[in-house]
Amino acid sequence: EAGVVQSPRYKIIEKKQPVAFWCNPISGHNTLYWYLQNLGQGPELLIRYENEEAVDDSQLPKDRFSAERLKGVDSTLKIQPAELGDSAVYLCASSSQGGNTGELFFGEGSRLTVL
Amino acid sequence: AQTVTQSQPEMSVQEAETVTLSCTYDTSESDYYLFWYKQPPSRQMILVIRQEAYKQQNATENRFSVNFQKAAKSFSLKISDSQLGDAAMYFCAYRSPDTGRRALTFGSGTRLQVQP
Repeated sequence: EAGVVQSPRYKIIEKKQPVAFWCNPISGHNTLYWYLQNLGQGPELLIRYENEEAVDDSQLPKDRFSAERLKGVDSTLKIQPAELGDSAVYLCASSSQGGNTGELFFGEGSRLTVL
Repeated sequence: AQTVTQSQPEMSVQEAETVTLSCTYDTSESDYYLFWYKQPPSRQMILVIRQEAYKQQNATENRFSVNFQKAAKSFSLKISDSQLGDAAMYFCAYRSPDTGRRALTFGSGTRLQVQP
């Protein structure tokens, strides 16, 4: 079974440029999460989707960040314009809505460097 | 809101020895899930062990076990017979039973070094 796939793995951009990250969750997983992980810190939730609906986006900086999961499968996280402080790793995770184990499955992350 | 605290930024252990990583959390809920995740340098986080709060028995997975103290809101991870491959960041995480808040809340992590 394929795991959570994220791309790109690494991205270097100039400040004020846009950037987008893509995530394909494990097949059949209804719930998808985007987390932000700063260097040496634990992941912090940005947004959670149940199918195509964003059910928890309270921590998403909506002035510059946006996300979508149009068909309830893969998802895109966008930053426009990027700022120096956005340099971090963006983690995508998925889980099964029907399962009760609570386990999240993570991708390898997308490391963003803003110059 | 729930918070998770890991007070040990770094720990070191000799190969084959035992090490314990600490985690405390704050919640007003009586039922919840607790997790330890491992994040090797490649950055993909993987589940190490899980504990349901309603279970009094401490979870065990091979060389990994937890000491769950519900009243003290403590959830420590013990790694026995440490191996070089255990070197990684370890994150403690909390999950509410509320389906509206199923995202994990993570601690700040503990970096474990394993000395040969």
